[in-house]
Amino acid sequence: DTAVSQTPKYLVTQMGNDKSIKCEQNLGHDTMYWYKQDSKKFLKIMFSYNNKELIINETVPNRFSPKSPDKAHLNLHINSLELGDSAVYFCASSLGGGGNTQYFGPGTRLTVL
Amino acid sequence: QKEVEQNSGPLSVPEGAIASLNCTYSDRGSQSFFWYRQYSGKSPELIMFIYSNGDKEDGRFTAQLNKASQYVSLLIRDSQPSDSATYLCAVLNMDTGRRALTFGSGTRLQVQP
Repeated sequence: DTAVSQTPKYLVTQMGNDKSIKCEQNLGHDTMYWYKQDSKKFLKIMFSYNNKELIINETVPNRFSPKSPDKAHLNLHINSLELGDSAVYFCASSLGGGGNTQYFGPGTRLTVL
Repeated sequence: QKEVEQNSGPLSVPEGAIASLNCTYSDRGSQSFFWYRQYSGKSPELIMFIYSNGDKEDGRFTAQLNKASQYVSLLIRDSQPSDSATYLCAVLNMDTGRRALTFGSGTRLQVQP
């Protein structure tokens, strides 16, 4: 059984389009995260939700909008995609925030043409 | 100055040798330190965490922390080709209220058979 799942695994799209990435965890965790990993492997936090409440909102363009319909889901919607948005996006979850072990999803490789 | 610095590598060691991976961090208030392993094209997975100064051992892995020097390292004994991956150091300062891991850009380890 997959603990943290993301769809789609690959996403290729044109500049200016709007796209969504979905994330679900079946670990019973209450905290979920979105990270962006660029071509140099630098992994950077974007958002964090605890019990559907936004906890962390890093300096991310407002074209990125997370939505958490329930504790088990955290989706990421991106408007007006730009070339610089190309990266691998990882969803993660943990029981409680902060230092508790974070479990990562398989990642979504987004390519903007 | 980057918040968490790692030598990007690659660090190449022969099979059976000890691999030593190093990480320095700038936030003196950091309390928790994590090592994640990421295979190419895969998601990060937690190997070890350490909170207190000194050494912490888990099988072939030893994490070492020196808060005075703001330095954390990971030793891998009896390195195996299957250890070849990128190792990400992450730190956490709960007092900031941010409660998110700050990652380094990773060190790529190559274990030569």
